[in-house]
Amino acid sequence: DAGVIQSPRHEVTEMGQEVTLRCKPISGHDYLFWYRQTMMRGLELLIYFNNNVPIDDSGMPEDRFSAKMPNASFSTLKIQPSEPRDSAVYFCASSLWRGSNQPQHFGDGTRLSIL
Amino acid sequence: ELKVEQNPLFLSMQEGKNYTIYCNYSTTSDRLYWYRQDPGKSLESLFVLLSNGAVKQEGRLMASLDTKARLSTLHITAAVHDLSATYFCAAIKAAGNKLTFGGGTRVLVKP
Repeated sequence: DAGVIQSPRHEVTEMGQEVTLRCKPISGHDYLFWYRQTMMRGLELLIYFNNNVPIDDSGMPEDRFSAKMPNASFSTLKIQPSEPRDSAVYFCASSLWRGSNQPQHFGDGTRLSIL
Repeated sequence: ELKVEQNPLFLSMQEGKNYTIYCNYSTTSDRLYWYRQDPGKSLESLFVLLSNGAVKQEGRLMASLDTKARLSTLHITAAVHDLSATYFCAAIKAAGNKLTFGGGTRVLVKP
């Protein structure tokens, strides 16, 4: 089975530019999560969706961040305008419904560098 | 707010010896996860612990959960170099869906 697929794997861009990160969850998974990992703050949940609907976006740091899930097989995380402090590894994860007792499965991440 | 703390943050191991990583969480949680992350890589699920007294084992790793003490442990038996990685525990509040991660324990196994 294909796992969670993220693109791009690496992104280097200049401050002020728009950045779009993409995620394809595992087919059949009901939940999709976006995380950010930094040395200073560790792994933080930014937002999660259930059946394509955003449920909790309390972790989204600022209005510059937005996330969408237009269908069950695709989600985007957008940063506009980007700032150097947004540099991090962004992970997407997906999981089955809660009662399945299965773990969240993580993609390989997007390493984002804002210059 | 659920908080998860791991200790130690760094563990230097000698091959062949046994070690334990501790994971404490602050409020009621009904499931506890352990993940492994190699440098520059994704997070790989190791264990899902669902009930008090749950114990799971895979190879040299064994995880347990004590919900009354709000404590999970990851025990490493006879450490080998391949186990060098960062290990994370994560908890979910009862009836919730949000994973809260601990800070991670970086493990380095020396020959």
